[in-house]
Parts: sequence; structure tokens; C-alpha cells
Amino acid sequence: SSELTQDPAVSVALGQTVRIPCQGDSLRDSYASWYQQKPGQAPVLVSYYKNNHPPGIPDRFSGSRSGNTASLTITGAQAEDEADYYCLSRDIYTNHWVFGGGTKLTVL
Amino acid sequence: QVQLVESGGGVVQPGRSLRLSCAASGFTFSNYDMHWVRQAPGKGLEWLAVMSSDGWNKYHADSVRGRFTISRDNSKNTVHVQMNSLGADDTAVYYCATGLGDAFDYWGQGSLVTVSS
Repeated sequence: SSELTQDPAVSVALGQTVRIPCQGDSLRDSYASWYQQKPGQAPVLVSYYKNNHPPGIPDRFSGSRSGNTASLTITGAQAEDEADYYCLSRDIYTNHWVFGGGTKLTVL
Repeated sequence: QVQLVESGGGVVQPGRSLRLSCAASGFTFSNYDMHWVRQAPGKGLEWLAVMSSDGWNKYHADSVRGRFTISRDNSKNTVHVQMNSLGADDTAVYYCATGLGDAFDYWGQGSLVTVSS
């Protein structure tokens, strides 16, 4: 089955830029989507397809892909961006979806 | 506005069954694929199942295939997951979510299922 690998934790200084990678074979054939989850809350979609944002999501969140690695970049991280971030992709051969293990972002 | 409200969670004994429901409003339900996702305490997100907008196609994660079954009723704007032979590792918050292509754009608030004797 497909797997997506994320670093467990990343930190960034307030106002700086941080990249959160997600690696997996399924990403060669499908785009990742990215979810922000704060404690006790449901996940929220922050980026999908090539670099689309749902309404209300700040432009500082951007998604990209290169080969088998997708990345979420936060440009000018804010204190409210501190959260867990999950990547998700679809395995086009099985029509199964898979989440990465999640990255805990700390804003210093 | 879009609302997804899960219900049916609670405490259930090991080996028993439970059926979760997700009531949708604020959008044309029959146009959207629907997913179930769960999150065990302190753990990450796990995709469980998807049903196509017209109800013809459904897929289940290998980890739950044969025990969990997704279904939907487009006349009632609801999606369900029937969960059988529950075990302690099924303890989790269960979310329903709408499919936007390969992404999940709206999520419910979640329903907690605790499997315990």
C-alpha cells in the first residue's frame, strides 16, 4: 500500500519561512492536499491541487510538488500557524487515499 | 453554509457493532463524494472509506475492509459507516468529509467512538 512520509516536527521563527515536505510514490501521479489541525479541532484544508487555496486561507500557504515529494511552504509564519500539518494523496491505481504521519509545527 | 454533523458515537464493547451517521447541509450533497477519516487519541489521521456521489462506487482502506462499510442516502443527505467487530484500536474520533477532487474540503466536528469493556 502507498505511504506518505513526513518529518514529525519542524520549528520556525516568527515571520520566517518554513517548508514542510511529504514524500511518497503516489505523489508522482497525483497532487497532495494539505491540512492544518489545531488541538481539539477538525482538520482544515489549506492547499490542494497545484497550489489552490480554499476561501479564507491566507496566501502565505503554498503547495508545490517535485517528483515524489510534495511541500507546503509557509512564507512569513505567524503564531496562529502553530499546528499539526498533514499531507494527503490518492493512489490512482487503488482509489485509496493516504495521509502522511503529520508534522508538528512550532512557531518560535 | 456547509455543515457536516456526525452522530452515533459513544462507548461500545469489544466485538460489538456501531453505525455512525453524517448529516450534510448547505450544499448539493448528491454532487459530492463523501469520505470517512478517523484519528486515534494522540495519533495522526487515517483515511477509512469513500463513496462516490452517485453511490455506485465505494472503496475501503485495507485496515478496515470487511469490517467497515460506507453507505449513503442522497434523498436524506446522509452518509453512514457501519462498523463491525470493533476492537480497542478502533477507538478514535471519526470524521466525515466532502471530496473536492482528490482533496477533502469540508469536515465535520467528529464523533468519538470508545471501544471498551
